[in-house]
Amino acid sequence: KAGVTQTPRYLIKTRGQQVTLSCSPISGHRSVSWYQQTPGQGLQFLFEYFSETQRNKGNFPGRFSGRQFSNSRSEMNVSTLELGDSALYLCASSSDGLRSTEAFFGQGTRLTVV
Amino acid sequence: SQQGEEDPQALSIQEGENATMNCSYKTSINNLQWYRQNSGRGLVHLILIRSNEREKHSGRLRVTLDTSKKSSSLLITASRAADTASYFCATDADDYKLSFGAGTTVTVRA
Repeated sequence: KAGVTQTPRYLIKTRGQQVTLSCSPISGHRSVSWYQQTPGQGLQFLFEYFSETQRNKGNFPGRFSGRQFSNSRSEMNVSTLELGDSALYLCASSSDGLRSTEAFFGQGTRLTVV
Repeated sequence: SQQGEEDPQALSIQEGENATMNCSYKTSINNLQWYRQNSGRGLVHLILIRSNEREKHSGRLRVTLDTSKKSSSLLITASRAADTASYFCATDADDYKLSFGAGTTVTVRA
């Protein structure tokens, strides 16, 4: 079974630009969630989608958005990038949104904003 | 903000020794999970313990959960160099997200 795939793995963007990150969950998993990891704030929850519906959203500004497609693949977008958005962005998939199962994480996208 | 605290922040042990790390959390939970992360890569799931369980084993891992104290511990027995990593506890409060602790960095010396 293929794991969670995140693309791209590395990204360098300039302040003010926007970026789109992609996540393909494990086949059959309908829940996809996104996390931001920084040395200062640790792992912070961004949002969770299940069958194309956002069920929870973390405490991030509106510049951070996401969506999920009918094949469960998910994208997150960050507009008007700021230096503080530099982070490792992790995507996780699970079969039923964590209620009884673990989450499987991708390798992450390392975003650097210059 | 994060759900809880992990203790210690860093741990250095000799190969073959046991490593114990603790996690405290703030709210009622559905389950608690432990993850390992190597050098800023993705998280690997280690073990899940439900709120009605007190102890769980998986290979060299032993996890305990005390919901009255809102705390959990992870014990790694007979550590190996490959156990060098950061370890995170994460709680699921039935709100479709994991809330992570700050992590414990474990270094196993050969």
